[in-house]
Amino acid sequence: DAGVIQSPRHEVTEMGQEVTLRCKPISGHNSLFWYRQTMMRGLELLIYFNNNVPIDDSGMPEDRFSAKMPNASFSTLKIQPSEPRDSAVYFCASSFRGAGNTIYFGEGSWLTVV
Amino acid sequence: AQSVTQPDIHITVSEGASLELRCNYSYGATPYLFWYVQSPGQGLQLLLKYFSGDTLVQGIKGFEAEFKRSQSSFNLRKPSVHWSDAAEYFCAVGDADSWGKLQFGAGTQVVVTP
Repeated sequence: DAGVIQSPRHEVTEMGQEVTLRCKPISGHNSLFWYRQTMMRGLELLIYFNNNVPIDDSGMPEDRFSAKMPNASFSTLKIQPSEPRDSAVYFCASSFRGAGNTIYFGEGSWLTVV
Repeated sequence: AQSVTQPDIHITVSEGASLELRCNYSYGATPYLFWYVQSPGQGLQLLLKYFSGDTLVQGIKGFEAEFKRSQSSFNLRKPSVHWSDAAEYFCAVGDADSWGKLQFGAGTQVVVTP
């Protein structure tokens, strides 16, 4: 299996610009997660979807962040406008829904906002 | 609220020596516990997980972990480390109701010396 695929792997953007991160989950998985990793806060869950429906977005930091999952094989995380404090590694992960199932992580999108 | 503590931020170990990484959790019910490893510039790879049953769990790459309810611990061990084990290790906890909403520890950086 190809695993969870994220793009771009690295992005440098200027403050105020819109950033869109993309994720293709493992085929057949019906749960998708967006995590963020920073030095200060470590790994934190931003939002997760079950069957393309957002279930818990309590980790989304503010209205500048939005996530969509238009179909079972694609999700986006958008930041508009971006700020330097959004610089982080953003991980997408997927799994079969249900406790006990392994959550597989992508390799991350490394975002730098200058 | 559930929480995870990894007391050791950084551990240096000689190649061939044994390794133990500590993880303590705070959770009322029976937690689901995980150990992930992150190599530089990479995503997170699951080493092992515990949901129920045998409290000694075997994982990939020769790792094992033991769940001790009385101590609220889930320590990771490897009898003989290889240079390729140099990475950051994360303990995480979830539960049946919000199993995908993993709470991660701050991580332990492992350095392997010749």
